[in-house]
Amino acid sequence: EAGVVQSPRYKIIEKKQPVAFWCNPISGHNTLYWYLQNLGQGPELLIRYENEEAVDDSQLPKDRFSAERLKGVDSTLKIQPAELGDSAVYLCASSPRLAVYNEQFFGPGTRLTVL
Amino acid sequence: AQSVTQPDIHITVSEGASLELRCNYSYGATPYLFWYVQSPGQGLQLLLKYFSGDTLVQGIKGFEAEFKRSQSSFNLRKPSVHWSDAAEYFCAVAAGDYKLSFGAGTTVTVRA
Repeated sequence: EAGVVQSPRYKIIEKKQPVAFWCNPISGHNTLYWYLQNLGQGPELLIRYENEEAVDDSQLPKDRFSAERLKGVDSTLKIQPAELGDSAVYLCASSPRLAVYNEQFFGPGTRLTVL
Repeated sequence: AQSVTQPDIHITVSEGASLELRCNYSYGATPYLFWYVQSPGQGLQLLLKYFSGDTLVQGIKGFEAEFKRSQSSFNLRKPSVHWSDAAEYFCAVAAGDYKLSFGAGTTVTVRA
C-alpha cells in the first residue's frame, strides 16, 4: 500500500512569489493534516481536515496561507506571497479518522527555500 | 495547553551501546504520548505510543518507553543501538482535541 505522497519534494522560489504543495493521503484515510517543520524544531500543525471540512485551521496564517481538500482526498497548501521566513519543511499526514489514538502517517515533506 | 520538552538536542552513542532519550511533558490530565523517528529526507514514523495500562510500552525496531506519571516523563530506550538508528527522534503529546504537540527533537549519532 502506498504511503502519503507529497510533491514537489524540493522547491526554491524568490520572495513574494506564490508556491503550492500537493498531498495525496493514504487511500481511505479521512483525516488529513498539514504541518510546518522549521529547522531544528518539531512539526507544528497548520490545518486539519476531516474529509473535505477544515476542522482546525486556527494555526494557519490566513493572510498568506490557504489550503483546500476538494472531494475529501487530495489536498493543496498554498502560500501567496512567500516570505523569507516561510523557508521550512511542509509535512502532510493522514489517519483513518479523527481520533487521538489513530496513528498519523507522514509523508516525506516538501522542503521550501525562499530566497 | 500541553507541551513537550526534550532536554537533549544531540546524543552520540557507540554502536551496540544502550540509548535513552528523555521526554518531559506538561498536561493536566492523562496524556496520550508518542515517539516518532525521522530519518534524513523521510517523513516521521511512529515508534510507539502510550494511552493507558502498562506503563512500559514496546515499539518497533527494538525500542521501548516507560511512562512515569510522577515525573511527567516518557523516556525512550533501546538496549543496543545499530548504525541505522541514527536519526532524529521526536516525542509528542496529544490532548483530548487530537492535536499533537511535538518536542524539538533529539538527534542521535551512532559511531562505529
